[in-house]
Amino acid sequence: QKEVEQNSGPLSVPEGAIASLNCTYSDRGSQSFFWYRQYSGKSPELIMSIYSNGDKEDGRFTAQLNKASQYVSLLIRDSQPSDSATYLCASGGSQGNLIFGKGTKLSVKP
Amino acid sequence: GAVVSQHPSWVICKSGTSVKIECRSLDFQATTMFWYRQFPKQSLMLMATSNEGSKATYEQGVEKDKFLINHASLTLSTLTVTSAHPEDSSFYICSARWAEGKAFFGQGTRLTVV
Repeated sequence: QKEVEQNSGPLSVPEGAIASLNCTYSDRGSQSFFWYRQYSGKSPELIMSIYSNGDKEDGRFTAQLNKASQYVSLLIRDSQPSDSATYLCASGGSQGNLIFGKGTKLSVKP
Repeated sequence: GAVVSQHPSWVICKSGTSVKIECRSLDFQATTMFWYRQFPKQSLMLMATSNEGSKATYEQGVEKDKFLINHASLTLSTLTVTSAHPEDSSFYICSARWAEGKAFFGQGTRLTVV
């Protein structure tokens, strides 16, 4: 069964620190990977996508992909209390669906 | 990014009645949409894949006769919860995939069955 694994947390970091979120996936055929942010009671919001090995930066966010290790990560620099949310990692399945991890809850303390 | 609109945002219904939830892709055509359910403090659970012009594909354990999905056009999929019961109370979310495989979600519908 194709799976995406994430540490459920909670991950607690002080304001201004770097938050590091990690994810592993089982399907070696996956070619696309995504990070979503979900605030409590809201639907997920796409924040990053990555398709090739290496780093991809967008503002305070950096996604990292290592296909050999089947590992995806998300770094959030200068973390803010407004970043407190659950972060979902997803890989693109061969059926056109996305396979989601269970999410990591991030708490940024002022 | 693309916009997916879901309606209603919340609904309260009596046990035994049916509720219809709409999911629209506003600025693109979506041949495939996905329906999820999320219970409090739990992860997203894929219920079914909605295919335009054909029958939906349901995940194991999801009753197709209870959760009716219709995808009659390239921009609209509907989920009808039939004969709703309190245990069906949940947060229902639709999504559609856009360019480069990116999935965008509707706002979600919070269903409460009393």
